[in-house]
Amino acid sequence: DQQVKQNSPSLSVQEGRISILNCDYTNSMFDYFLWYKKYPAEGPTFLISISSIKDKNEDGRFTVFLNKSAKHLSLHIVPSQPGDSAVYFCAAGGSYIPTFGRGTSLIVHP
Amino acid sequence: NAGVMQNPRHLVRRRGQEARLRCSPMKGHSHVYWYRQLPEEGLKFMVYLQKENIIDESGMPKERFSAEFPKEGPSILRIQQVVRGDSAAYFCASSLTGTGGWNEQFFGPGTRLTVL
Repeated sequence: DQQVKQNSPSLSVQEGRISILNCDYTNSMFDYFLWYKKYPAEGPTFLISISSIKDKNEDGRFTVFLNKSAKHLSLHIVPSQPGDSAVYFCAAGGSYIPTFGRGTSLIVHP
Repeated sequence: NAGVMQNPRHLVRRRGQEARLRCSPMKGHSHVYWYRQLPEEGLKFMVYLQKENIIDESGMPKERFSAEFPKEGPSILRIQQVVRGDSAAYFCASSLTGTGGWNEQFFGPGTRLTVL
């Protein structure tokens, strides 16, 4: 049973537009959420995080929104750039052991 | 300042053979984590080790899999008598401390194991 779900396996966006990647979770005990970015043949790289006491965290072009009542978080990338093309993993948990989603492959077209 | 290193990057084994995957953490890091990514799946936690100690192996299959992180040298993930279902990408991560958030975990490039 998947506790962290990324229902869109892929997303295609035009350069300069907004990319919105979504993630749903089922475990109400999760209190820490992260997004990782992964290029082919490389390991995941931490991108941005948010704790359950916040509903928004922003870092440059990347913003993560958390809706605890809906058990939903999203990653916004504005403006999207071709270099953002990668697989994005959502992860969640309440300890040092995160539960990962299956990832969303983002393609940003020039 | 080298990051987390894993070798080999690709490993091919026949069913029944042993696979040994190595992970050298970032300099100064004494906490190592192993994850497995099956095709079309997310990363799944396997084991968390500190030097000479296994802290949490709740994600490790009970049979055929073992891990160690000796006082000297890299961490080793060992899979005995491999089966086709073991084919996956195995990622290692390291951290300076074990109590922080996961943004403190730095991942290696992974070892892709293929079992024929």
